[in-house]
Amino acid sequence: DAGVIQSPRHEVTEMGQEVTLRCKPISGHDYLFWYRQTMMRGLELLIYFNNNVPIDDSGMPEDRFSAKMPNASFSTLKIQPSEPRDSAVYFCASSPTGGVTEAFFGQGTRLTVV
Amino acid sequence: SQQGEEDPQALSIQEGENATMNCSYKTSINNLQWYRQNSGRGLVHLILIRSNEREKHSGRLRVTLDTSKKSSSLLITASRAADTASYFCATGAPDSWGKLQFGAGTQVVVTP
Repeated sequence: DAGVIQSPRHEVTEMGQEVTLRCKPISGHDYLFWYRQTMMRGLELLIYFNNNVPIDDSGMPEDRFSAKMPNASFSTLKIQPSEPRDSAVYFCASSPTGGVTEAFFGQGTRLTVV
Repeated sequence: SQQGEEDPQALSIQEGENATMNCSYKTSINNLQWYRQNSGRGLVHLILIRSNEREKHSGRLRVTLDTSKKSSSLLITASRAADTASYFCATGAPDSWGKLQFGAGTQVVVTP
């Protein structure tokens, strides 16, 4: 397996624009996580899914953020409208079960909102 | 919000020396994990220790867990330049299957 695949790797957009980040989890993994990493706040869990269903979205900062998982092999994180403070590295991770197991991370999407 | 707090925030050592970093957490856990992040890359899992375990080894890594003190330590023995990275602890709660809360990380620099 190629691992968790995220696209794009880098995204530069203007304030107010819609941004869509994409993630393909490892095949067979039931859990998918979206994290955001910044220097100020570290690594924050935004939302996670189990079998394509959102389980906990308490980390989503605002209504401008939304995430979907239409099927087991694809998820999106959308920011609309984007703001400069959304600039961060966004990571997607997946794990095979929700029990005591490791998470596999993608390479991340570096988002810059100007 | 972050569950774990790593100490120190940064560590600079020479090749061959040991590196020790600590993680403290606040609430009950069922497991604690350590991850490494190289600059500009994603996180890579290193080792997992369950709440009923006290010590675990994997190659040059040694992890301890003290649930009474809500703390863990990661020891990297005989460090190499390639160990230069940020190291994060992550905790899993008993009632939140799969959900991991990460600490702020320890930045380790190993000089040849």
